[in-house]
Amino acid sequence: QQQVKQSPQSLIVQKGGISIINCAYENTAFDYFPWYQQFPGKGPALLIAIRPDVSEKKEGRFTISFNKSAKQFSLHIMDSQPGDSATYFCAARHGTNDYKLSFGAGTTVTVRA
Amino acid sequence: ETGVTQSPTHLIKTRGQQVTLRCSSQSGHNTVSWYQQALGQGPQFIFQYYREEENGRGNFPPRFSGLQFPNYSSELNVNALELDDSALYLCASSLGAGPTNEKLFFGSGTQLSVL
Repeated sequence: QQQVKQSPQSLIVQKGGISIINCAYENTAFDYFPWYQQFPGKGPALLIAIRPDVSEKKEGRFTISFNKSAKQFSLHIMDSQPGDSATYFCAARHGTNDYKLSFGAGTTVTVRA
Repeated sequence: ETGVTQSPTHLIKTRGQQVTLRCSSQSGHNTVSWYQQALGQGPQFIFQYYREEENGRGNFPPRFSGLQFPNYSSELNVNALELDDSALYLCASSLGAGPTNEKLFFGSGTQLSVL
């Protein structure tokens, strides 16, 4: 049972374009929402994260938009570069005793030069 | 690089066998989490260890077990391997447990194939 639903499964964007990945959740006990970037043969690496009391967070070319009432959040990659080609995972942390992360299924982003 | 090292990088086993995967956490980190990542899927939480005690478990059967040692390194043991256990097993280290445990640093994983 996927607790965090992620879309699209894959996307292709031209260099300099904007990549947008969307995630939705149901569990209101989630208290922290990170995004991870994974290159082939590597483990996921934390990219950017947000808490539900904030509507937007920007770090460089990466922005998270968070809509608490809709239980949705998204990652925007501005001025996409070929080096951004990777798989991106949204995740949500259970704000209970185990504080485990539930991951979305991932979005493979391909940036064409 | 995160400083989290996992061994071995690849492993081939047959159904019914047992396997042990190892993880060295990043210096200064006292919490280790294990995740299973099936092909084309996001990581699934197996369990977490904090100061040598299991501190949370996902929806995995008891044949998945673990240990954390005094130096905070960890092992994941899987008994009676099944074909569906074929996956990338990821170890993540972090500092602390509970609400302050936010930044997970993942290793590159162990790719397990069960034939």
